[in-house]
Amino acid sequence: NAGVTQTPKFRILKIGQSMTLQCAQDMNHNYMYWYRQDPGMGLKLIYYSVGAGITDKGEVPNGYNVSRSTTEDFPLRLELAAPSQTSVYFCASRAGTPSQETQYFGPGTRLLVL
Amino acid sequence: LAKTTQPISMDSYEGQEVNITCSHNNIATNDYITWYQQFPSQGPRFIIQGYKTKVTNEVASLFIPADRKSSTLSLPRVSLSDTAVYYCLVGEGNSGYSTLTFGKGTMLLVSP
Repeated sequence: NAGVTQTPKFRILKIGQSMTLQCAQDMNHNYMYWYRQDPGMGLKLIYYSVGAGITDKGEVPNGYNVSRSTTEDFPLRLELAAPSQTSVYFCASRAGTPSQETQYFGPGTRLLVL
Repeated sequence: LAKTTQPISMDSYEGQEVNITCSHNNIATNDYITWYQQFPSQGPRFIIQGYKTKVTNEVASLFIPADRKSSTLSLPRVSLSDTAVYYCLVGEGNSGYSTLTFGKGTMLLVSP
């Protein structure tokens, strides 16, 4: 059981470039999340999805876009990379029932924008 | 969303019991209390969750007083491998649209 997987593990971007961070889960979870974590800080929610075709903004959505065409995948798109987007990005999922509020996190993608 | 307050850091020695307290004064009726652990360069990992009273699993115990305005994560006999950041989160356990807010967490350093 792979759980939540993220690719790539590490990426260097130049200012203005674009890229897609991939996230997939094989637990048939309805809810998926994207967070960013800056050094020494907690996680901040970028976007989340409560099911295929449904997404919503979190605390820090500017500069990012998401889509959820399938239950399994929740890619995060950076259109015009900026140095402020240098961070570690974590994807998470949860089942969504009251007794299963637990979020399962992927290993993260470390992004450096120069 | 209920805001949480927890110590920035704590120090302990191997074999000791560690208690990390989290304040959440404006917790709502439907909110659950969840603790996550994060090691460097890894995503957070679920430790324990509770609604009221005491919850215990193979890793930790969670104590929640009757007013639910605070909670205490108890780690028995910590080891060096318990050095990590611990996050206390409060969110609606039975709402389909619930999101969780991560603060800065508590950095626990366990020394030999």
